[in-house]
Amino acid sequence: DAGVIQSPRHEVTEMGQEVTLRCKPISGHNSLFWYRQTMMRGLELLIYFNNNVPIDDSGMPEDRFSAKMPNASFSTLKIQPSEPRDSAVYFCASSLADTGGAMRRYFGPGTRLTVL
Amino acid sequence: GESVGLHLPTLSVQEGDNSIINCAYSNSASDYFIWYKQESGKGPQFIIDIRSNMDKRQGQRVTVLLNKTVKHLSLQIAATQPGDSAVYFCAENSGAGSYQLTFGKGTKLSVIP
Repeated sequence: DAGVIQSPRHEVTEMGQEVTLRCKPISGHNSLFWYRQTMMRGLELLIYFNNNVPIDDSGMPEDRFSAKMPNASFSTLKIQPSEPRDSAVYFCASSLADTGGAMRRYFGPGTRLTVL
Repeated sequence: GESVGLHLPTLSVQEGDNSIINCAYSNSASDYFIWYKQESGKGPQFIIDIRSNMDKRQGQRVTVLLNKTVKHLSLQIAATQPGDSAVYFCAENSGAGSYQLTFGKGTKLSVIP
């Protein structure tokens, strides 16, 4: 079975450029999460979607960050304009929000973003 | 500060020995806990989870123990193998919604061949 798919795996860009990260969740999952991981702050939840609807975006750092989920099989996280402090590994995760599996989320391989 | 923390940031274990990774949590209302394994360059991989109505849960070569009295969680890995070398994270649900998970900073497990 295919797990969570993310692209690109690595992205190097210059400050001020727009960056778009992509995610395909596990088929049948109805919850999708975007996380950011840094050495200093660990794993931080950025935004949570349920049934394609953003439920909690309180973790999005600022207006430069935006996320969309146009359908159940695709989501994007966009940073515009990017800044060096955005450099991190960005993970997408999905889960099936039922009684047993609401919190058992499965992570993708991540996108390593470097902003110069 | 972090509501989920780890006693040991690094752990070195001889191949074949058992490993124990510890985790302390501070939110007595948390009712779900989960362990992830993260290998270098990869995303966190689900290992095992446990709800607060249980004290112990076993998987394949792994056991999670929950002590609610002292708010302590541990992951035991039997017969540790080189492939177990990774960073291990514990996480707890800490918010009103089921989606809230707070992750600890992680413990690095190194297996000595």
